[in-house]
Amino acid sequence: AQSVTQLDSQVPVFEEAPVELRCNYSSSVSVYLFWYVQYPNQGLQLLLKYLSGSTLVKGINGFEAEFNKSQTSFHLRKPSVHISDTAEYFCAVSDRAGNNRKLIWGLGTSLAVNP
Amino acid sequence: DGGITQSPKYLFRKEGQNVTLSCEQNLNHDAMYWYRQDPGQGLRLIYYSQIVNDFQKGDIAEGYSVSREKKESFPLTVTSAQKNPTAFYLCAAGVGGPDTQYFGPGTRLTVL
Repeated sequence: AQSVTQLDSQVPVFEEAPVELRCNYSSSVSVYLFWYVQYPNQGLQLLLKYLSGSTLVKGINGFEAEFNKSQTSFHLRKPSVHISDTAEYFCAVSDRAGNNRKLIWGLGTSLAVNP
Repeated sequence: DGGITQSPKYLFRKEGQNVTLSCEQNLNHDAMYWYRQDPGQGLRLIYYSQIVNDFQKGDIAEGYSVSREKKESFPLTVTSAQKNPTAFYLCAAGVGGPDTQYFGPGTRLTVL
Protein backbone atom coordinates (compact mmCIF):
# COMPACT_ATOMS: atom_id res chain seq x y z
CA ALA A 1 0.00 0.00 0.00
CA GLN A 2 1.10 3.52 -0.66
CA SER A 3 1.73 6.08 2.03
CA VAL A 4 2.98 9.64 2.28
CA THR A 5 4.94 11.11 5.17
CA GLN A 6 5.42 14.81 5.61
CA LEU A 7 8.30 14.95 8.01
CA ASP A 8 7.50 18.30 9.63
CA SER A 9 4.07 19.24 10.92
CA GLN A 10 5.08 22.86 11.42
CA VAL A 11 7.82 24.95 9.86
CA PRO A 12 8.44 28.48 11.15
CA VAL A 13 10.64 30.69 9.00
CA PHE A 14 11.50 34.36 8.67
CA GLU A 15 10.49 36.37 5.65
CA GLU A 16 12.98 36.23 2.74
CA ALA A 17 14.62 33.09 4.15
CA PRO A 18 14.73 29.85 2.15
CA VAL A 19 12.45 26.99 3.08
CA GLU A 20 12.23 23.26 2.43
CA LEU A 21 9.15 21.19 3.21
CA ARG A 22 9.94 17.50 3.24
CA CYS A 23 7.86 14.70 1.78
CA ASN A 24 8.67 11.00 1.60
CA TYR A 25 6.51 8.29 0.12
CA SER A 26 6.40 4.54 0.02
CA SER A 27 5.08 2.57 -2.90
CA SER A 28 5.75 -0.71 -4.63
CA VAL A 29 4.98 0.82 -8.02
CA SER A 30 5.90 3.97 -9.88
CA VAL A 31 4.02 7.04 -8.79
CA TYR A 32 2.96 10.52 -9.70
CA LEU A 33 3.60 13.20 -7.09
CA PHE A 34 1.83 16.42 -6.19
CA TRP A 35 2.13 19.40 -3.85
CA TYR A 36 -0.97 21.41 -2.95
CA VAL A 37 -1.35 24.58 -0.88
CA GLN A 38 -4.29 25.51 1.33
CA TYR A 39 -4.77 29.05 2.62
CA PRO A 40 -6.90 29.45 5.77
CA ASN A 41 -10.53 28.43 5.34
CA GLN A 42 -10.10 27.78 1.64
CA GLY A 43 -9.89 24.82 -0.70
CA LEU A 44 -6.64 23.35 -1.99
CA GLN A 45 -4.74 24.66 -4.99
CA LEU A 46 -2.16 22.74 -7.02
CA LEU A 47 1.38 24.09 -6.61
CA LEU A 48 3.17 21.61 -8.85
CA LYS A 49 3.23 18.01 -9.96
CA TYR A 50 5.67 15.41 -11.20
CA LEU A 51 4.41 13.03 -13.86
CA SER A 52 7.54 12.21 -15.85
CA GLY A 53 10.65 13.78 -17.37
CA SER A 54 12.87 16.20 -15.53
CA THR A 55 13.05 15.45 -11.82
CA LEU A 56 13.14 19.16 -10.98
CA VAL A 57 9.65 20.56 -11.22
CA LYS A 58 8.79 24.24 -11.09
CA GLY A 59 5.43 25.42 -9.86
CA ILE A 60 3.50 28.56 -9.09
CA ASN A 61 4.54 31.29 -6.66
CA GLY A 62 8.25 30.50 -7.04
CA PHE A 63 8.08 26.99 -5.57
CA GLU A 64 9.94 24.00 -6.95
CA ALA A 65 10.32 20.37 -5.98
CA GLU A 66 12.75 17.61 -6.83
CA PHE A 67 11.78 14.00 -7.31
CA ASN A 68 14.38 11.62 -5.91
CA LYS A 69 13.48 8.06 -6.77
CA SER A 70 16.28 6.42 -4.81
CA GLN A 71 15.30 8.26 -1.64
CA THR A 72 11.56 8.16 -2.44
CA SER A 73 11.31 11.85 -1.70
CA PHE A 74 9.65 14.88 -3.24
CA HIS A 75 10.77 17.86 -1.17
CA LEU A 76 9.31 21.32 -1.81
CA ARG A 77 11.58 24.35 -1.81
CA LYS A 78 11.46 28.10 -2.19
CA PRO A 79 14.59 30.27 -2.10
CA SER A 80 12.93 33.28 -0.46
CA VAL A 81 9.56 33.16 1.24
CA HIS A 82 7.02 35.90 1.68
CA ILE A 83 4.47 36.52 4.39
CA SER A 84 1.78 35.50 1.90
CA ASP A 85 3.26 31.99 1.71
CA THR A 86 1.89 31.27 5.17
CA ALA A 87 -0.41 28.31 4.57
CA GLU A 88 -0.82 24.54 4.91
CA TYR A 89 1.05 22.46 2.35
CA PHE A 90 0.06 18.93 1.37
CA CYS A 91 2.06 16.30 -0.49
CA ALA A 92 0.12 13.61 -2.37
CA VAL A 93 0.91 10.53 -4.46
CA SER A 94 -1.00 8.62 -7.10
CA ASP A 95 -0.36 5.15 -8.44
CA ARG A 96 0.85 5.23 -12.09
CA ALA A 97 -0.75 1.93 -12.88
CA GLY A 98 -3.97 2.45 -11.00
CA ASN A 99 -7.20 3.50 -12.56
CA ASN A 100 -9.17 4.38 -9.46
CA ARG A 101 -8.10 8.03 -9.67
CA LYS A 102 -7.38 8.34 -5.96
CA LEU A 103 -4.70 10.40 -4.31
CA ILE A 104 -2.94 9.36 -1.10
CA TRP A 105 -2.34 12.42 1.07
CA GLY A 106 0.20 13.41 3.66
CA LEU A 107 -0.99 15.03 6.87
CA GLY A 108 0.23 18.46 5.87
CA THR A 109 2.93 20.92 6.89
CA SER A 110 1.96 24.27 8.35
CA LEU A 111 4.33 26.96 7.07
CA ALA A 112 4.42 30.11 9.19
CA VAL A 113 6.36 33.01 7.70
CA ASN A 114 7.25 35.63 10.27
CA PRO A 115 8.37 39.23 9.60
CA ASP B 1 -11.08 27.15 -6.63
CA GLY B 2 -11.58 26.75 -10.37
CA GLY B 3 -15.11 26.01 -11.53
CA ILE B 4 -16.27 24.20 -8.42
CA THR B 5 -18.95 25.62 -6.18
CA GLN B 6 -19.74 24.44 -2.69
CA SER B 7 -22.61 25.80 -0.72
CA PRO B 8 -23.11 26.97 1.89
CA LYS B 9 -19.75 28.12 3.24
CA TYR B 10 -20.88 27.60 6.84
CA LEU B 11 -23.61 25.22 7.98
CA PHE B 12 -25.05 24.59 11.41
CA ARG B 13 -27.27 21.67 12.30
CA LYS B 14 -28.69 20.08 15.39
CA GLU B 15 -27.52 16.64 16.39
CA GLY B 16 -29.63 13.89 14.85
CA GLN B 17 -30.51 15.80 11.69
CA ASN B 18 -29.40 14.79 8.23
CA VAL B 19 -27.77 17.52 6.16
CA THR B 20 -26.84 17.70 2.49
CA LEU B 21 -23.78 19.56 1.22
CA SER B 22 -23.85 20.81 -2.33
CA CYS B 23 -21.04 20.47 -4.88
CA GLU B 24 -21.35 21.67 -8.47
CA GLN B 25 -18.67 21.81 -11.17
CA ASN B 26 -18.58 23.40 -14.62
CA LEU B 27 -15.23 21.91 -15.62
CA ASN B 28 -16.83 18.97 -17.42
CA HIS B 29 -14.67 16.56 -15.43
CA ASP B 30 -15.70 12.92 -15.08
CA ALA B 31 -14.36 12.29 -11.59
CA MET B 32 -15.58 13.93 -8.40
CA TYR B 33 -14.51 13.47 -4.79
CA TRP B 34 -15.58 14.30 -1.25
CA TYR B 35 -13.00 14.76 1.49
CA ARG B 36 -13.25 15.46 5.16
CA GLN B 37 -10.59 17.59 6.84
CA ASP B 38 -9.96 17.69 10.59
CA PRO B 39 -7.09 19.51 12.29
CA GLY B 40 -3.88 17.49 12.12
CA GLN B 41 -5.45 14.67 10.10
CA GLY B 42 -5.00 15.90 6.56
CA LEU B 43 -7.58 14.96 3.96
CA ARG B 44 -9.59 11.76 4.27
CA LEU B 45 -11.58 10.46 1.32
CA ILE B 46 -15.28 9.89 1.98
CA TYR B 47 -16.66 8.97 -1.46
CA TYR B 48 -15.63 9.34 -5.07
CA SER B 49 -17.30 8.98 -8.41
CA GLN B 50 -15.63 8.29 -11.73
CA ILE B 51 -18.74 8.54 -13.87
CA VAL B 52 -22.40 9.45 -13.66
CA ASN B 53 -24.57 6.97 -11.74
CA ASP B 54 -21.55 5.28 -10.21
CA PHE B 55 -19.62 5.96 -7.00
CA GLN B 56 -17.31 4.15 -4.59
CA LYS B 57 -16.70 4.34 -0.88
CA GLY B 58 -13.53 5.99 0.29
CA ASP B 59 -11.74 5.44 3.56
CA ILE B 60 -14.38 6.91 5.90
CA ALA B 61 -17.75 6.38 4.17
CA GLU B 62 -19.71 5.29 7.25
CA GLY B 63 -22.45 7.77 8.11
CA TYR B 64 -22.33 9.45 4.69
CA SER B 65 -24.18 8.98 1.42
CA VAL B 66 -23.82 10.44 -2.07
CA SER B 67 -25.50 10.48 -5.45
CA ARG B 68 -24.23 11.25 -8.94
CA GLU B 69 -27.26 11.74 -11.16
CA LYS B 70 -25.62 14.46 -13.23
CA LYS B 71 -22.03 14.94 -14.33
CA GLU B 72 -21.83 18.39 -12.79
CA SER B 73 -23.31 17.57 -9.39
CA PHE B 74 -22.13 15.35 -6.51
CA PRO B 75 -24.06 16.12 -3.30
CA LEU B 76 -22.99 14.64 0.02
CA THR B 77 -25.47 13.79 2.77
CA VAL B 78 -24.18 13.64 6.32
CA THR B 79 -26.58 11.36 8.14
CA SER B 80 -27.41 11.10 11.81
CA ALA B 81 -25.36 7.90 11.85
CA GLN B 82 -22.14 9.90 11.48
CA LYS B 83 -20.89 10.07 15.04
CA ASN B 84 -18.67 13.12 14.75
CA PRO B 85 -19.84 15.17 11.77
CA THR B 86 -18.36 18.54 12.72
CA ALA B 87 -15.57 19.13 10.18
CA PHE B 88 -14.47 20.99 7.07
CA TYR B 89 -15.75 19.26 3.92
CA LEU B 90 -14.01 19.63 0.58
CA CYS B 91 -15.30 18.65 -2.84
CA ALA B 92 -12.96 18.13 -5.79
CA ALA B 93 -13.19 17.24 -9.46
CA GLY B 94 -10.67 15.87 -11.90
CA VAL B 95 -10.25 14.46 -15.37
CA GLY B 96 -9.24 11.22 -13.77
CA GLY B 97 -6.13 9.13 -13.71
CA PRO B 98 -3.01 10.64 -12.17
CA ASP B 99 -4.07 14.14 -12.81
CA THR B 100 -4.81 17.28 -10.91
CA GLN B 101 -7.81 17.50 -8.64
CA TYR B 102 -9.51 20.88 -8.52
CA PHE B 103 -11.03 21.85 -5.21
CA GLY B 104 -14.01 23.87 -4.16
CA PRO B 105 -13.82 26.42 -1.32
CA GLY B 106 -15.19 23.97 1.25
CA THR B 107 -18.14 23.84 3.65
CA ARG B 108 -17.59 24.05 7.38
CA LEU B 109 -20.25 21.97 9.10
CA THR B 110 -20.92 22.41 12.80
CA VAL B 111 -23.31 20.07 14.55
CA LEU B 112 -24.62 21.44 17.83
